[in-house]
Amino acid sequence: LAKTTQPISMDSYEGQEVNITCSHNNIATNDYITWYQQFPSQGPRFIIQGYKTKVTNEVASLFIPADRKSSTLSLPRVSLSDTAVYYCLVGAVTGGFKTIFGAGTRLFVKA
Amino acid sequence: SQTIHQWPATLVQPVGSPLSLECTVEGTSNPNLYWYRQAAGRGLQLLFYSVGIGQISSEVPQNLSASRPQDRQFILSSKKLLLSDSGFYLCACALVRTGVREQYFGPGTRLTVT
Repeated sequence: LAKTTQPISMDSYEGQEVNITCSHNNIATNDYITWYQQFPSQGPRFIIQGYKTKVTNEVASLFIPADRKSSTLSLPRVSLSDTAVYYCLVGAVTGGFKTIFGAGTRLFVKA
Repeated sequence: SQTIHQWPATLVQPVGSPLSLECTVEGTSNPNLYWYRQAAGRGLQLLFYSVGIGQISSEVPQNLSASRPQDRQFILSSKKLLLSDSGFYLCACALVRTGVREQYFGPGTRLTVT
């Protein structure tokens, strides 16, 4: 499994766009990139998944450059409730069973 | 949609006592199942994963074990708990839908070993 590296923490203010970058230099050809969000005393929750270029859903966008060695989770107009830990994972969608969560990025959104 | 049940929600156990945490899944069949542990302020540590009944892969061979006696039941056990076993234990299942692979997590069990 490709190892991922993320910033330990980030601060932002309400209404701002937040971009969290994840490095995964050893990503394999069949690996996808997935981001999860975790609030205290809860299990992580799926945010978005992508393979290349850009993926967008109702809560976030995921930007993946052509070399796929990094990815950026973009949260538009964050609110206080977006304060959480965000995890970047790399792995196969099918046939891959083992998943490794890194330390994640602690995002603090201030008023 | 799938639902993951875990119990108990909280548990306080003395060092050296046994442990049994249970996880059951509803709404899907033949899921990949996972046990994670999260120490306070830390990330998730993968303990075990299972791709089917009786099939367990261990990532942490210490004093913990896991079993999958039924398709949608995953049990985490220990014969003798250590202080370092304290943490938040999460059960998860992985599903692939419309090409997207998601892990769904249960509510967790907060274990304190005293």
